[in-house]
Amino acid sequence: KQEVTQIPAALSVPEGENLVLNCSFTDSAIYNLQWFRQDPGKGLTSLLLIQSSQREQTSGRLNASLDKSSGRSTLYIAASQPGDSATYLCVQRDDYKLSFGAGTTVTVRA
Amino acid sequence: EPEVTQTPSHQVTQMGQEVILRCVPISNHLYFYWYRQILGQKVEFLVSFYNNEISEKSEIFDDQFSVERPDGSNFTLKIRSTKLEDSAMYFCASSQGGVGRRQPQHFGDGTRLSIL
Repeated sequence: KQEVTQIPAALSVPEGENLVLNCSFTDSAIYNLQWFRQDPGKGLTSLLLIQSSQREQTSGRLNASLDKSSGRSTLYIAASQPGDSATYLCVQRDDYKLSFGAGTTVTVRA
Repeated sequence: EPEVTQTPSHQVTQMGQEVILRCVPISNHLYFYWYRQILGQKVEFLVSFYNNEISEKSEIFDDQFSVERPDGSNFTLKIRSTKLEDSAMYFCASSQGGVGRRQPQHFGDGTRLSIL
């Protein structure tokens, strides 16, 4: 059974600082890895999707890397803003289903 | 941008009652999914659905659960006899392709189910 672990569980940074969110997974035979954002009481917003053949994806201030051999992915958020405050979920795709990490809750202080 | 829509946003039901959660997936999507998130816990996979049948289901998806695509637009999750532990946020998702095309899943805003 795939296990997805996210460290740290919570993170608080001042505005402007870069964020580094870590994710590890136990089974390297993944189809893809996706990072989502979840705001309190809200749904899941997809941020980046990395296919198993790729090493990274970038969108604006966000960059996600994937290292299948070590079972790790990292989400970088550059120049953080208060609007980046949310829970970030690392999600690994295994066949039809997604396996979710517990998330890193980020607070960006103005 | 097309969205997955879920209704209602919040459902309160007495224990033992049946409940139906409704979802309208993105119109050209072919694969449909239900997930749940108990308060304070991880999001968990329940079931995937393609071509009018279940593709995969988790151990959570026991005989009290069922899914249906009653028409060309809706996708429903029925819980036959609700228990207190069914209280959770239920998310519907859809994707254009499944495993072969590795397309991302798009999620609705969820239905919060509260069992009293």
